[in-house]
Amino acid sequence: NAGVMQNPRHLVRRRGQEARLRCSPMKGHSHVYWYRQLPEEGLKFMVYLQKENIIDESGMPKERFSAEFPKEGPSILRIQQVVRGDSAAYFCASSPNSGFYNEQFFGPGTRLTVL
Amino acid sequence: DQQVKQNSPSLSVQEGRISILNCDYTNSMFDYFLWYKKYPAEGPTFLISISSIKDKNEDGRFTVFLNKSAKHLSLHIVPSQPGDSAVYFCAASQDTGNQFYFGTGTSLTVIP
Repeated sequence: NAGVMQNPRHLVRRRGQEARLRCSPMKGHSHVYWYRQLPEEGLKFMVYLQKENIIDESGMPKERFSAEFPKEGPSILRIQQVVRGDSAAYFCASSPNSGFYNEQFFGPGTRLTVL
Repeated sequence: DQQVKQNSPSLSVQEGRISILNCDYTNSMFDYFLWYKKYPAEGPTFLISISSIKDKNEDGRFTVFLNKSAKHLSLHIVPSQPGDSAVYFCAASQDTGNQFYFGTGTSLTVIP
């Protein structure tokens, strides 16, 4: 049973370009969470999605960032017009259910560098 | 607004000794706590958890203690091994919430 998969592992973009980060949850998991880790900081929640629905996007910046989890295919975190401050590690996690006592399984992360 | 705090960014311990990693939180609504371990260039992996109805949970060499009145939890690793060297994050959540709140991590080095 493969774990959470993220690609690419490393992504380099120039300011103003778009970044697309992909996350395939573990088999049987229908809940996906995206976190961002800035240098020297802990993981910060961005968004929680179920298939075709955004459940909680309270941690997502209001502009330039969007996320989706289509019926088929991976979850996508999209950052438009990237800026240097977007450079961070972006982690995706998945869980089989939501709510209490629910462990989240993390992927290896995508390290985004904005030049 | 950092609701989960790990005030020690790093810790060094001799192999075979006990490692104690600490975590404080501010939100009294948190009722489920976890510890994750992270190696460089990898995602966090789950280590151990505890719910607020307990004050201790043990799994092999790892024990988590929860002091609700002090809003404090700690992770004890005994005996410490060189392979335990990693960054440890504590995380907290509440029953009605969807997200985990993470601390900033403590980098543990176990010296052979």
